[in-house]
Amino acid sequence: QVQLVQSGAEVKKPGASVKVSCKASGYTFTSYYMHWVRQAPGQGLEWMGIINPSGGSTSYAQKFQGRVTMTRDTSTSTVYMELSSLRSEDTAVYYCARLGLVVNAFDIWGQGTMVTVSS
Amino acid sequence: QSALTQPASVSGSPGQSITISCTGTSSDVGGYNYVSWYQQHPGKAPKLMIYEVSNRPSGVPDRFSGSKSGNTASLTISGLQAEDEADYYCSSYTSSSTWVFGGGTKLTVL
Repeated sequence: QVQLVQSGAEVKKPGASVKVSCKASGYTFTSYYMHWVRQAPGQGLEWMGIINPSGGSTSYAQKFQGRVTMTRDTSTSTVYMELSSLRSEDTAVYYCARLGLVVNAFDIWGQGTMVTVSS
Repeated sequence: QSALTQPASVSGSPGQSITISCTGTSSDVGGYNYVSWYQQHPGKAPKLMIYEVSNRPSGVPDRFSGSKSGNTASLTISGLQAEDEADYYCSSYTSSSTWVFGGGTKLTVL
């Protein structure tokens, strides 16, 4: 079945970086754009950016420009999101979400990865 | 890009209907038919309920419907059931080639 499986929870210190992975299965990896969305504790969803797994092109929300890097490995059908210069406000659950081809919406979501930033 | 505006909470009794609004601008909700709605239960990932304003993915009950007028989109749930109690988020594509979410609405089934 179509699914996205993310890496496990992380605890990082302020100023460090974190890299979260999202492994796709059950569909043609390079045919669907992948997005990253985060959700701080008790807060709403926040769009971070998008990567085209085919060519690797990316586009990031202005808020994260310069701090976020999205990459992919087509050999393992995995996308990565790396966030640097972490601060306490980056504590959140990070989701990868597939943008549907026919449906212009996020039709498949990963289970989420909790990133905690604490000294 | 500012978040889309949703009411913080709505409530209804089983069997009743409720509507959740999602207000944006002509640069997002009003400018594109790429408005979608997501249901999120506590501790779970969001689930797509409505895409492109009014379309339901396979498996979503027809009690869920969507519409749009101008810069405001709406999600209506008819025949409320206990399992509908969750947080609901709208999302839209924007003129900056980005995506934006609403702040979320907590639905309570009384």
